[in-house]
Amino acid sequence: AQSVAQPEDQVNVAEGNPLTVKCTYSVSGNPYLFWYVQYPNRGLQFLLKYITGDNLVKGSYGFEAEFNKSQTSFHLKKPSALVSDSALYFCAVRDIRGSTLGRLYFGRGTQLTVWP
Amino acid sequence: AAGVIQSPRHLIKEKRETATLKCYPIPRHDTVYWYQQGPGQDPQFLISFYEKMQSDKGSIPDRFSAQQFSDYHSELNMSSLELGDSALYFCASSDREMNTEAFFGQGTRLTVV
Repeated sequence: AQSVAQPEDQVNVAEGNPLTVKCTYSVSGNPYLFWYVQYPNRGLQFLLKYITGDNLVKGSYGFEAEFNKSQTSFHLKKPSALVSDSALYFCAVRDIRGSTLGRLYFGRGTQLTVWP
Repeated sequence: AAGVIQSPRHLIKEKRETATLKCYPIPRHDTVYWYQQGPGQDPQFLISFYEKMQSDKGSIPDRFSAQQFSDYHSELNMSSLELGDSALYFCASSDREMNTEAFFGQGTRLTVV
């Protein structure tokens, strides 16, 4: 079965500092991994994805994520956090075969707060 | 660029009533997904359609049903509503043939009172 874990419910960083939001995964087969961001009362916005290729994936708004197969991790990173990055971040893995093709399994979410 | 459109954005219903949520996917996307996000929870997969046929079914109650129409829009019908059905309901669409990521709508917030 596919699953992801986000070990931190909350991450707090000061503006200008680097941020990391952690995600580990458990999949059968090759992982298709995603990061989404959710602002209050809004939908889920796609940030970036890993399907194959370079382990460092660059996405929207200056975010990037590092895929590490040996550690089964896909941590979200940003070199310099902004107050406007404060939101709820979800890591997700997608089923890539069988009758459940396309279904996303989400982590519990990590609330990121960036203070001025 | 066109996005996934959901209507209504907010809905208040009483227990045992019926609700219908609508979703209009991104043009040329062939797959629609429905997710339910309870308060403080992660989104849970309900059901999906590929080319107007149900392709996958998750933790969707028997009281709920959904379909995708010839114009690719989808509707989620919820009957005999319960207080526990109060949640944010997301629709997402993707292009399976192009293996794109899922793009989500803004969601419909259903409150059952």
